Amino acid sequence: AQSVTQPDIHITVSEGASLELRCNYSYGATPYLFWYVQSPGQGLQLLLKYFSGDTLVQGIKGFEAEFKRSQSSFNLRKPSVHWSDAAEYFCAVAYNDYKLSFGAGTTVTVRA
Amino acid sequence: DVKVTQSSRYLVKRTGEKVFLECVQDMDHENMFWYRQDPGLGLRLIYFSYDVKMKEKGDIPEGYSVSREKKERFSLILESASTNQTSMYLCASSLAGLNEKLFFGSGTQLSVL
Repeated sequence: AQSVTQPDIHITVSEGASLELRCNYSYGATPYLFWYVQSPGQGLQLLLKYFSGDTLVQGIKGFEAEFKRSQSSFNLRKPSVHWSDAAEYFCAVAYNDYKLSFGAGTTVTVRA
Repeated sequence: DVKVTQSSRYLVKRTGEKVFLECVQDMDHENMFWYRQDPGLGLRLIYFSYDVKMKEKGDIPEGYSVSREKKERFSLILESASTNQTSMYLCASSLAGLNEKLFFGSGTQLSVL
């Protein structure tokens, strides 16, 4: 069965510091991988996605993610966090047509 | 920009009531989805539709049904609401294809008393 694990429920980071959010998946073939962000009171927005090719993917708002097949991971990073990055982040994996399986989410708090 | 509109932001219903959650998208997307979001569980897929009058069960379809009579509208129906269906419900749409991104509505917070 498809599963997505986000090991960190909550992360606190200082403004200007780097951020890394972890995501692990279990799937037999090469997955389609996504990161979405949900700001308070809003719907989810796609940050970036990976299907094939270069394993380092650039997204919006200065985020990037790296696909590591050997570790079944797709971690999200940002070199310097802004206060507006405080949100909930979801990793997602597509395991067949149309069905997208989401992780439980990681809440990011940014302190001044 | 694509707009996915959910008819209600907050909804309060009584146990046993029939509940309709409506979702409309304005970009001619083939695919539409209903998820529920619960703290610590993330988003779980209830139903999706890849064409008019077509529907597929997601991971947690029990207690729910859906209707897609027109391409732009996808309704989620709770036949007899129960307290364990209190949740945030998110509608999404996308173009056809596995690699297309989902566009989400702002959600409906349903409370069943």
